Amino acid sequence: EPEVTQTPSHQVTQMGQEVILRCVPISNHLYFYWYRQILGQKVEFLVSFYNNEISEKSEIFDDQFSVERPDGSNFTLKIRSTKLEDSAMYFCASSARGREQFFGPGTRLTVL
Amino acid sequence: AQSVTQPDIHITVSEGASLELRCNYSYGATPYLFWYVQSPGQGLQLLLKYFSGDTLVQGIKGFEAEFKRSQSSFNLRKPSVHWSDAAEYFCAVGAIEYGNKLVFGAGTILRVKS
Repeated sequence: EPEVTQTPSHQVTQMGQEVILRCVPISNHLYFYWYRQILGQKVEFLVSFYNNEISEKSEIFDDQFSVERPDGSNFTLKIRSTKLEDSAMYFCASSARGREQFFGPGTRLTVL
Repeated sequence: AQSVTQPDIHITVSEGASLELRCNYSYGATPYLFWYVQSPGQGLQLLLKYFSGDTLVQGIKGFEAEFKRSQSSFNLRKPSVHWSDAAEYFCAVGAIEYGNKLVFGAGTILRVKS
């Protein structure tokens, strides 16, 4: 069964460093999403991406964040200068038609 | 603003007992709804979904949920819980009018007693 994959599973970085989280969505899906879950809190929407552009973004998704689909298979989330409060589990999701979203296993980001 | 409430943070049930996890939503558009399950350290697995039509939907692992528009609820049920069902359960709501982004509840942690 096709699934969304994410790498790395765990990323540790120093405050102020750039990180790139990678996702490989399900191959025939057209809609891509990033969510995050701070430990003990709700899963929160960050950004949606369709047709090579951002469809919608939340207030969390400020200028420090960017997304890219560099090669037609990967979907990346970049955080330019990480802060302590960026520590969270980041989930990628993809969808064929926009409604039913399939989630990856997540990347746990720890900012020291 | 869109919101999803899962009133129970923790629930403990005995193995073989029935289960109901509550979910209420507040949405300004016609919603579609999901239940996801998350085991420790794992991702979010889709249990079931409701888009339209029959308000009682069946999912994987013997779970079902009933959409009640009048009560703005989408409660998850299982007639007989297994120890492997211990996990955290999330209700999520989306709408085409809001760009299909999902709004999640805070989750309910299910513990199963043997």
